[in-house]
Amino acid sequence: SQKIEQNSEALNIQEGKTATLTCNYTNYSPAYLQWYRQDPGRGPVFLLLIRENEKEKRKERLKVTFDTTLKQSLFHITASQPADSATYLCALGGDDKIIFGKGTRLHILP
Amino acid sequence: GAGVSQSPSNKVTEKGKDVELRCDPISGHTALYWYRQSLGQGLEFLIYFQGNSAPDKSGLPSDRFSAERTGGSVSTLTIQRTQQEDSAVYLCASSLDRALGQPQHFGDGTRLSIL
Repeated sequence: SQKIEQNSEALNIQEGKTATLTCNYTNYSPAYLQWYRQDPGRGPVFLLLIRENEKEKRKERLKVTFDTTLKQSLFHITASQPADSATYLCALGGDDKIIFGKGTRLHILP
Repeated sequence: GAGVSQSPSNKVTEKGKDVELRCDPISGHTALYWYRQSLGQGLEFLIYFQGNSAPDKSGLPSDRFSAERTGGSVSTLTIQRTQQEDSAVYLCASSLDRALGQPQHFGDGTRLSIL
């Protein structure tokens, strides 16, 4: 069955450094991948979309890569700030289906 | 605001009671999704509405769960004869259409607690 894996352990990063989150998947060939941010008690908020024929996407301090051979996406936040602390979810989609990972909690330490 | 609105934000009820959760999507969004999120778990897909098409109910966990979308706008998710395992946050999302990769816009959810 289709499976998405995100690092279940919280990630602690020093302020100013680059945070890198990983999303791995198996038994699936998604047409696109999305990243969302979720704060406690709130719904997820869309951040970035990358399609299967794209290798990299950037938006301000955010960068996403998509390697369909490794079946992996990396999500980078450069010059991280305490306000970047949240849970980050990856989501894979194709046809009419979208599947969300469980998310990785990121803590940016001041 | 112009975002997705869900009500109530919190609901506590006794086991065996029926509950109804409401979602007001963003105006003009034709696609509407319901998800369930339990502590430490990912978003579990429940049901998807697209325009006037028949909904995709493949994620509903049992026949106690049902949902409708009236007039292509507001949606209600109904859980009958609630069980303790139904306790979770129920999230609604809408998107502009069903085009691949369309971002989903989420509400802040209804936190349901079954005593």
